[in-house]
Amino acid sequence: QKEVEQDPGPLSVPEGAIVSLNCTYSNSAFQYFMWYRQYSRKGPELLMYTYSSGNKEDGRFTAQVDKSSKYISLFIRDSQPSDSATYLCAVNSAGTYKYIFGTGTRLKVLA
Amino acid sequence: GAVVSQHPSWVICKSGTSVKIECRSLDFQATTMFWYRQFPKQSLMLMATSNEGSKATYEQGVEKDKFLINHASLTLSTLTVTSAHPEDSSFYICSARDQVSGEETQYFGPGTRLLVL
Repeated sequence: QKEVEQDPGPLSVPEGAIVSLNCTYSNSAFQYFMWYRQYSRKGPELLMYTYSSGNKEDGRFTAQVDKSSKYISLFIRDSQPSDSATYLCAVNSAGTYKYIFGTGTRLKVLA
Repeated sequence: GAVVSQHPSWVICKSGTSVKIECRSLDFQATTMFWYRQFPKQSLMLMATSNEGSKATYEQGVEKDKFLINHASLTLSTLTVTSAHPEDSSFYICSARDQVSGEETQYFGPGTRLLVL
């Protein structure tokens, strides 16, 4: 079993839709949860950083962590064609600097 | 947010030559940087952790003599692919660990695309 599981997609949605991206993880020691956006042939860009359970909102983006279910989500409201990219979740434990990444979900927002 | 640069952004070289890739944190100091490799439509694979002033820590299966890492200052880490071969062709991305913000975050560079002929 992989430490972090993420549906690779692709996921296609119409412009304006609410997008839900998800990851599951297996190790309850993970405490830091990140979402990155990666455009084709570019480096990942940090979108959201969360610590422990709960929600965090930043503009059109909401990150949600449910530690009891080992489930993390990223919601994108009012999706735009410019949101078309690969979204990577990442986790790590306290005391270690290494991230463990999901495989990434390819999102396409259709105009 | 914190900015990390990489140079060059792309490089083509002949088989057997060595290629050096630079990773710089532009507006913060990074005692720890990371080097990743990414194949098309795949996730990032951590190659090594670069620590300022000490030896890099390599992940299992990564040849330390082939992928030389030097972290000589708090803002610069270099990855040298020695005696490159076509199978080394890939997208190499570095990240820098931001400790100052209080959040345990990594900021990524734009990546370097390497093509070995």
